[in-house]
Amino acid sequence: IAGITQAPTSQILAAGRRMTLRCTQDMRHNAMYWYRQDLGLGLRLIHYSNTAGTTGKGEVPDGYSVSRANTDDFPLTLASAVPSQTSVYFCASSDSPGGGTTDDTEAFFGQGTRLTVV
Amino acid sequence: AQSVTQPDIHITVSEGASLELRCNYSYGATPYLFWYVQSPGQGLQLLLKYFSGDTLVQGIKGFEAEFKRSQSSFNLRKPSVHWSDAAEYFCAVGTVNTDKLIFGTGTRLQVFP
Repeated sequence: IAGITQAPTSQILAAGRRMTLRCTQDMRHNAMYWYRQDLGLGLRLIHYSNTAGTTGKGEVPDGYSVSRANTDDFPLTLASAVPSQTSVYFCASSDSPGGGTTDDTEAFFGQGTRLTVV
Repeated sequence: AQSVTQPDIHITVSEGASLELRCNYSYGATPYLFWYVQSPGQGLQLLLKYFSGDTLVQGIKGFEAEFKRSQSSFNLRKPSVHWSDAAEYFCAVGTVNTDKLIFGTGTRLQVFP
């Protein structure tokens, strides 16, 4: 089934540890995004990528890094996790940047990764 | 920079009542506007979107939204709410120039029988 796959679905991580959240899409979408969702704050954009080989900073990029070596994968790395990074992380993709800016495109979301940093 | 405001954190309605969820955006040029719905423990699903043309857009599940440039708004409406509509609703704005898709803080909808 076509779509976005995130792994792991949940993780408990000790503070100071390094962690990579994986995201893979099989729709050949150009644009990909990482969001974190926190109660009362909605979804905040961490990083995004318009196409393979390019990335950009979102609203809350500090403490996170991304890479886009190919079209399908967009991993998010926490180099040294802190408790404030406890959140639910969503990966998304769209055919074109800006969330899909043509009539027949939209952003598709993964099921999320629940990360707890202790 | 683009931004989205959803002034209502939590709304409660009775089943069968009408619904309007508010969304205001800030962006210098014409934005691309979206409404997404998130059921508990799930990812996000697109309800509808506005790019250009007719300012009243129809979406899935009986939802519609109207783009009003003069008010910088894109409110979501449904004439008769069903219990299954209970969820969190997010308004989002995307632009070609900035390549970002920015979300509001969400509105949680509770439906009473």
